[in-house]
Amino acid sequence: EPEVTQTPSHQVTQMGQEVILRCVPISNHLYFYWYRQILGQKVEFLVSFYNNEISEKSEIFDDQFSVERPDGSNFTLKIRSTKLEDSAMYFCASGTGGNTGELFFGEGSRLTVL
Amino acid sequence: GENVEQHPSTLSVQEGDSAVIKCTYSDSASNYFPWYKQELGKRPQLIIDIRSNVGEKKDQRIAVTLNKTAKHFSLHITETQPEDSAVYFCAARDYNQGGKLIFGQGTELSVKP
Repeated sequence: EPEVTQTPSHQVTQMGQEVILRCVPISNHLYFYWYRQILGQKVEFLVSFYNNEISEKSEIFDDQFSVERPDGSNFTLKIRSTKLEDSAMYFCASGTGGNTGELFFGEGSRLTVL
Repeated sequence: GENVEQHPSTLSVQEGDSAVIKCTYSDSASNYFPWYKQELGKRPQLIIDIRSNVGEKKDQRIAVTLNKTAKHFSLHITETQPEDSAVYFCAARDYNQGGKLIFGQGTELSVKP
């Protein structure tokens, strides 16, 4: 069964450093998302991406965040200058849109900012 | 934008009992309502979903009901087992627009043997 894959599974970084989280969505999917989950809290929407551009973003997704689909398969989330409060699990998800509805989540990338 | 409220935040039941988790949503354009189960350190896993043209859906011990007029939907787990213990999240989205999934706050279900 096809699945969304994410790398790295865990990254530890120093405050102020740049971080890139990578995702490979399911190949025939058209909609891509990043979510984050701070430990013990709910899953929060960050950004959605369709047709090579951001379709929607949340208040969390400020100028420190960017997304890119550089090569037609990878979907990346970049945090330019990490803060302590960026420590969270980051989930990538993809979907076909249309009337299937379901989003498929990756295993997540745990980011720890020291 | 959409806002999803979920309760209770924690639920403890005896093995074999039923568990009910309730959610309300705010955006009448939402038409897809999935429920996810998340075990510690794992990704959310879809366990059941319902679309707005259906009032109820059942899959073995799990059922979901939807009341579009009242904008609420519920997850029902019957004959609970210890392996049902996890955090459950409800969510809502407008899938026609490729819309984002908005999650509730989660319910930590504990099934005691």
